[in-house]
Amino acid sequence: GAGVSQSPRYKVTKRGQDVALRCDPISGHVSLYWYRQALGQGPEFLTYFNYEAQQDKSGLPNDRFSAERPEGSISTLTIQRTEQRDSAMYRCASSPSSRPQGVPYFGPGTRLTVL
Amino acid sequence: QQQVKQSPQSLIVQKGGISIINCAYENTAFDYFPWYQQFPGKGPALLIAIRPDVSEKKEGRFTISFNKSAKQFSLHIMDSQPGDSATYFCAASSGNTPLVFGKGTRLSVIA
Repeated sequence: GAGVSQSPRYKVTKRGQDVALRCDPISGHVSLYWYRQALGQGPEFLTYFNYEAQQDKSGLPNDRFSAERPEGSISTLTIQRTEQRDSAMYRCASSPSSRPQGVPYFGPGTRLTVL
Repeated sequence: QQQVKQSPQSLIVQKGGISIINCAYENTAFDYFPWYQQFPGKGPALLIAIRPDVSEKKEGRFTISFNKSAKQFSLHIMDSQPGDSATYFCAASSGNTPLVFGKGTRLSVIA
């Protein structure tokens, strides 16, 4: 079956613009995670959902970052008033388990560049 | 504060040799320790994982060794092959927290 998909794969935006990153998880997967991965670093947790409920958003850097998963499937990570420091690979992952320890399957990521 | 410290940052191994990557953690509540493999342009993929009730887990050429008292765990790749060249991440989590990752080790296996 299809894996986790993310769109767009690449996004270049100007500082101050808002961006929306989309994640389409594996069908039937309960949990959905957002991670941010800087070049040469490991993934850094941002937030996660069980179904449509946001369980933990402790990793979101500030209130410019928000995420939603309104129908318990597709999720959108929104960054308002982007800054150059927001440039990174944003990875989505999904898991069949509702436990945060469930094994996440990662998508290919969205490379965000803020000019 | 980095919760999982991984070393080395990069590693070059001859084909057929043993690759060893180490991780250390501080949080004694962690009870799940996976290793992820990431190829260029791809997302990390689960390779092998261990829980602290065992000291070693082996799957094919990949072995995790776990030392609970030292709060360390390591990945051993036996008979390393050029196709194993990738970035490897250790990670850890407790029952109610998502995975935290190490910074990664870039492995190059040369013929």
